[in-house]
Parts: sequence; C-alpha cells; structure tokens
Amino acid sequence: TQLLEQSPQFLSIQEGENLTVYCNSSSVFSSLQWYRQEPGEGPVLLVTVVTGGEVKKLKRLTFQFGDARKDSSLHITAAQPGDTGLYLCAGKKSGNTGKLIFGQGTTLQVKP
Amino acid sequence: NAGVTQTPKFRILKIGQSMTLQCAQDMNHNYMYWYRQDPGMGLKLIYYSVGAGITDKGEVPNGYNVSRSTTEDFPLRLELAAPSQTSVYFCASREEGGFGANVLTFGAGSRLTVL
Repeated sequence: TQLLEQSPQFLSIQEGENLTVYCNSSSVFSSLQWYRQEPGEGPVLLVTVVTGGEVKKLKRLTFQFGDARKDSSLHITAAQPGDTGLYLCAGKKSGNTGKLIFGQGTTLQVKP
Repeated sequence: NAGVTQTPKFRILKIGQSMTLQCAQDMNHNYMYWYRQDPGMGLKLIYYSVGAGITDKGEVPNGYNVSRSTTEDFPLRLELAAPSQTSVYFCASREEGGFGANVLTFGAGSRLTVL
C-alpha cells in the first residue's frame, strides 16, 4: 500500500504546455517536500511546504499544500525541455525522527 | 565540499555474494539514511542513523545491515545477495535541527544488479 499516491505516473507534453502533478494521502503530514531527479543523479529538493493551504512559487513552478495537510500539487506553467525529469513528493510525519515517505514519482517528458 | 559520496556507482553481483555499499558525507550531518529506488515505487527507506553508534530499521531492512562508527560514514552491507535486491541505492544526510533539518542531501546513487 502506497501511503502517498502521485498522479499521473507518466506525462509527456509539448514545450509551452501547462501541467499539474498531484500527491495525495489519507494521512496528515507535518510537512511535504517536492524533489526533482535527473537520470543517474540523486533527488534534489525543490521546496518544502509546512502550513496547510500554503502556496510557494519557484519561477514557473507553483507548489500548494492542502488545507488539511494530506495532499499537495505541483503546477508547471509553460513547460520547458529542461523541466524533464522525475518529480517526487515526500511527506514527513511529526515525531518520527525526520523520516520521509516518498510517493512513486511522476516522470515528466517535455518535447521541444 | 563533496557532499554525499557513494561508491561504487555500478556493481553486478552473483546470487549469494556479499558486498558493502559505501557512503560518506563531509557536512558533519548527524542524520543519515539509506533508500532503495525501484521503477514506479519511489524511494523506500532501508535503514537510518541519527548519529554515530545509533542505527535503526526503516521500511524494508530485510537482507541488509548497517553500521555507523563515525559521523562521516554509513556503509550498507548485503550479506547474501538476492535478485530482489537489484535496485538503485541512495544514501542521504541532513542536519539535526534548524532550517537544514528539512533539507536531505542525496548521493548520486549506486546501481546494483544481482544475477
């Protein structure tokens, strides 16, 4: 059973299109993170959201934490080929020595 | 700073062989983690450590062992390799508190194939 469900698992779009990736759970998290991973590399942290309803922007990327802190979304505006990669959400439950629970990941391909 | 360094990057093992994946960090982080990544499954926590001399099991510890004799090093040992252990292994570390407590730094990964 996957505690954090990401959707979609695969996404192939044309340059310039918008997209949204979802990360859903029935559990409450004290914080949620989004990572991006390129082939042959480890994941790199993009953002951490902590407060329910919080919205953070990173250039063309917008991250939102659900009001109940059970879900999150990543929206990319005008996707570029450089956005291609594996996007992972990871939830941190309070009081568990900082262990993260990862979603399955969303593989994004942006075609020029 | 080198960050988190993993060796080897690639390894092929025969069933029943043993090996150790090395992980070293030069950031003086107390917390260190070992994850495995399988296609479509995200990252699963194998073992973690909150400081030298302290280790604990994660979600999928069976078939693995770890030790933490120093702050810098956190090796992962496979005693009797099985095909189910074919995966990409990632080591990560973070600070104990403050803003850095939210930032996991990952190594580049070690791809292991068991035949």
